[in-house]
Amino acid sequence: EVQLLESGGVLVQPGGSLRLSCAASGFIFSSYAIYWVRQAPGKGLEWVSGVSGSGGGTYYADSVKGRFTISRDNSKNTVYLQMNNLRADDTAVYYCAKGGAGFQHWGQGTLVTVSS
Amino acid sequence: DIQMTQSPSSLSASVGDRVTITCRASQGINNYLVWFQQKPGKAPKSLIYLASSLQSGVPSKFSGSGSGTDFTLTISSLQPEDFATYYCQQYNSYPYTFGQGTKLEIK
Repeated sequence: EVQLLESGGVLVQPGGSLRLSCAASGFIFSSYAIYWVRQAPGKGLEWVSGVSGSGGGTYYADSVKGRFTISRDNSKNTVYLQMNNLRADDTAVYYCAKGGAGFQHWGQGTLVTVSS
Repeated sequence: DIQMTQSPSSLSASVGDRVTITCRASQGINNYLVWFQQKPGKAPKSLIYLASSLQSGVPSKFSGSGSGTDFTLTISSLQPEDFATYYCQQYNSYPYTFGQGTKLEIK
């Protein structure tokens, strides 16, 4: 059974940093891209970032480029999202999702709140 | 970046109705389009991928069509559990982008 479990969401001050993790199981981890998608309170879905299976390709939305860094450790079946210089409009539930087969598998989400 | 425009943004319908939601891409996306259903407090659920392929385990009341830049999601015989928010997303080129969502409400 495919499982994705996000962690790391907390309350952080504007300008602060945070690292989210997405731990995966139930599939050949290194064969699939992993994506981060966020949803601000009461708003729609926003695609944030993606990383290829090997980790050699990384992709970002314009809204986070230069502030967020995605990476993966295939020995630990985990993807990370390093978020720096956080702003109030980064407040959202952050989901990770597995690539392939029409994005069938998602985690339950982790809440990041940026506030003073 | 590719812009995805969904319409309508909200839709009121009755149990048993058939509804259609439209998604338009700002440029061709080679049918790399997925439709999601989302209920409050839950992660999105994939319904249709590659514009018209039904996701495993999803009832056939959901169907997708279209090509090029214009796509539709049709839901037949609405049931109470179908009232939710629906999103399209293109995955033809990075950054992937979502439509703004269509909230389907009970009339």
